[in-house]
Amino acid sequence: EAEVAQSPRYKITEKSQAVAFWCDPISGHATLYWYRQILGQGPELLVQFQDESVVDDSQLPKDRFSAERLKGVDSTLKIQPAELGDSAMYLCASSLSDGGGTEAFFGQGTRLTVV
Amino acid sequence: GEDVEQSLFLSVREGDSSVINCTYTDSSSTYLYWYKQEPGAGLQLLTYIFSNMDMKQDQRLTVLLNKKDKHLSLRIADTQTGDSAIYFCAETPREGGSQGNLIFGKGTKLSVKP
Repeated sequence: EAEVAQSPRYKITEKSQAVAFWCDPISGHATLYWYRQILGQGPELLVQFQDESVVDDSQLPKDRFSAERLKGVDSTLKIQPAELGDSAMYLCASSLSDGGGTEAFFGQGTRLTVV
Repeated sequence: GEDVEQSLFLSVREGDSSVINCTYTDSSSTYLYWYKQEPGAGLQLLTYIFSNMDMKQDQRLTVLLNKKDKHLSLRIADTQTGDSAIYFCAETPREGGSQGNLIFGKGTKLSVKP
């Protein structure tokens, strides 16, 4: 069964260091999303891609976060420098398109701990 | 602005029905969703309802939508211990948006006691 793959599953990093997460969406899915889920909260959308283009990054802290999807397939989310408050689960999701009600599929996430 | 509110905890006995409630603010939302998250795992879509419906049933799950009051509920019949998880209510922030661009509530932790 096709699924969204994320790596690593867990990451511990020291504050001020750089960290990166990788997401491989389901094959053929044009739309890709990165969410951040702080413990005890619901997920919050950070960035949405349509193919290789950013559609919505209004909630992405652009001073330290960056995201790319160079070939319109897999994607990388980077944090530099990491801060203690960045500790969270980072979830990737993908869908066939951005159209009304199109189902999105979530990966298992990367749990980041900043120490 | 957009906001989705849920109660944080619910405890039921195995075999009872569970009802998880949610209120939302964006009247333009076209789809409303329920997701399930088990410990350490990603999100699993349970069901969704289109805003022109007031009820949807899928096996043990019943979704009720009161659009006038912006209230959504999820009823789980014959709740099992395997239903223990966090349940998130979510809405699409814009008309016609995909299920990936969502506003989530903080989640309701359902505990099922044997």
